[in-house]
Amino acid sequence: AQTVTQSQPEMSVQEAETVTLSCTYDTSESNYYLFWYKQPPSRQMILVIRQEAYKQQNATENRFSVNFQKAAKSFSLKISDSQLGDTAMYFCAFMKQGTGNQFYFGTGTSLTVIP
Amino acid sequence: DTGVSQDPRHKITKRGQNVTFRCDPISEHNRLYWYRQTLGQGPEFLTYFQNEAQLEKSRLLSDRFSAERPKGSFSTLEIQRTEQGDSAMYLCASSLGDRPSPLHFGNGTRLTVT
Repeated sequence: AQTVTQSQPEMSVQEAETVTLSCTYDTSESNYYLFWYKQPPSRQMILVIRQEAYKQQNATENRFSVNFQKAAKSFSLKISDSQLGDTAMYFCAFMKQGTGNQFYFGTGTSLTVIP
Repeated sequence: DTGVSQDPRHKITKRGQNVTFRCDPISEHNRLYWYRQTLGQGPEFLTYFQNEAQLEKSRLLSDRFSAERPKGSFSTLEIQRTEQGDSAMYLCASSLGDRPSPLHFGNGTRLTVT
């Protein structure tokens, strides 16, 4: 079974600063994908960034980037130049390739951007 | 692309009643998933469909839960004889199943069992 662990239930950051959210996972699979999803208060969950395990290069999407350490099974999310709209729950998710493309989610990190 | 839509947004019901939720996925997505999310937790997988076929069900899905996707388009999730422990947000998501692709979520249906 796959498990995803987010060890930081809550975090805060000053507007315009940088923050890093941590995520670790446990799997015996070799082919898989990792995602960060954002869930603003009372709004739907949206995809922030994805990483294919076979790619060594860390994914980047504008102000969002990841630090993917496959051997350590670590997948952290860095948010640069934090904005008030970044305030949300952030979920790390693991997807193994195969039947169902089953997703496994962590318990989330609540991020508050302070003006 | 109008996104994934779920109906209703909120449902309050008394213990023992039956409830049914509906999900309309993104039209070209052939995979549809149901997740349950409780406060302070991440989404937990319940079941998923590829087209009209229900291919996997979680152990979380007791006999009181049933899901259908009769024509491979919209899906319904029914909970019979609701219990207070069923109170949660029920999320629907869809994806293109030809290759690994991200889930696109709806706004969810918040169920409160009194």
